[in-house]
Amino acid sequence: EAEVAQSPRYKITEKSQAVAFWCDPISGHATLYWYRQILGQGPELLVQFQDESVVDDSQLPKDRFSAERLKGVDSTLKIQPAELGDSAMYLCASSYGQTYPYEQYFGPGTRLTVT
Amino acid sequence: QQQVKQSPQSLIVQKGGISIINCAYENTAFDYFPWYQQFPGKGPALLIAIRPDVSEKKEGRFTISFNKSAKQFSLHIMDSQPGDSATYFCAASGGSRLTFGEGTQLTVNP
Repeated sequence: EAEVAQSPRYKITEKSQAVAFWCDPISGHATLYWYRQILGQGPELLVQFQDESVVDDSQLPKDRFSAERLKGVDSTLKIQPAELGDSAMYLCASSYGQTYPYEQYFGPGTRLTVT
Repeated sequence: QQQVKQSPQSLIVQKGGISIINCAYENTAFDYFPWYQQFPGKGPALLIAIRPDVSEKKEGRFTISFNKSAKQFSLHIMDSQPGDSATYFCAASGGSRLTFGEGTQLTVNP
């Protein structure tokens, strides 16, 4: 069964350092999403790509977060500099397209701890 | 602005019982309502989803009930099993952007 791949699974970094997460969506899925999930809460969308283009980054803290999907396949989410409040699970999801039924499939996530 | 409210926050059910989780939404433009199941340390997994033109959808032991006029929908887990113990999230979208509820931590005691 095809799955969304993410790495690393766990990351511990010090405040003010840079950190990056990688995601490889299910093959053929044109839409890719990055979510942040704080412990005990539901995922919140950070950025959405359609192929290599950003569709929605309204909730992305652009002063420190950046995301790219250069060839329209895999994607990288970067935080620089990391802050204590960035500690969370970062989830990547993908879907076939932007049309109904919008089924999104999630990867295992990257658990980030900022010390 | 929280657009999807989920309750209860936690739920304990005995094996074989029925688990019921409720969600309410505000945005009448929402047209897709999925439920996700998440185990500790894992990403959410799509469980079942419904469109607003039907009032109920059943897949195995899982049923979604949908009340368009009340803007509410619920997940029923019949014959709950210890393996169902997980966090459940409802979500809603009016396009490809999902808005999630706060989650319900379900514990099924053997």
